[in-house]
Amino acid sequence: DQQVKQNSPSLSVQEGRISILNCDYTNSMFDYFLWYKKYPAEGPTFLISISSIKDKNEDGRFTVFLNKSAKHLSLHIVPSQPGDSAVYFCAASLLNRDDKIIFGKGTRLHILP
Amino acid sequence: DTAVSQTPKYLVTQMGNDKSIKCEQNLGHDTMYWYKQDSKKFLKIMFSYNNKELIINETVPNRFSPKSPDKAHLNLHINSLELGDSAVYFCATSRGGSISYEQYFGPGTRLTVT
Repeated sequence: DQQVKQNSPSLSVQEGRISILNCDYTNSMFDYFLWYKKYPAEGPTFLISISSIKDKNEDGRFTVFLNKSAKHLSLHIVPSQPGDSAVYFCAASLLNRDDKIIFGKGTRLHILP
Repeated sequence: DTAVSQTPKYLVTQMGNDKSIKCEQNLGHDTMYWYKQDSKKFLKIMFSYNNKELIINETVPNRFSPKSPDKAHLNLHINSLELGDSAVYFCATSRGGSISYEQYFGPGTRLTVT
């Protein structure tokens, strides 16, 4: 039972264009969402997060949008750069429940020159 | 200077053996975690641990046991290894007591059970 779904295993985007990575969740109790980025042979690194009381959070080139009614969030990267090529994991959690964080399977982003 | 380190990076062993994976952090964080990334690429939390409490994910077999000799270390011991234990194991830390705080991950340990 996948509570966090990243339905696109991979995505290719031209350098300089916008990358949009999508994530859906099924548990309406989730109240905090995170995106992590992972390079090969390295651990995931935190990118950006959003609380369920917000619908947008921006940090430089990265913006996360949350649509609670649709149980959907997306990560926008603009402009996309070669160093953005990586696997992106969406995660959802319940604040103050240390055993309740669910990761998606990840989306591999390829930035094309 | 590596913030979260794991040893070994690769571990190949036979079924039935007992093995340990070590994790060390120099961030001064109070909370540490172990994750398992299986062959389907799902990253699942196994344990979280801080100075006060060990929180065990109920889906983790009791063959897995975390041990923390001090605040900077959280080791993972696995007894009677099974084929299904083959995975990449990640250690992580966070500053806050909640898993929702930004986490810093180690590079992972790829365990292969034959």
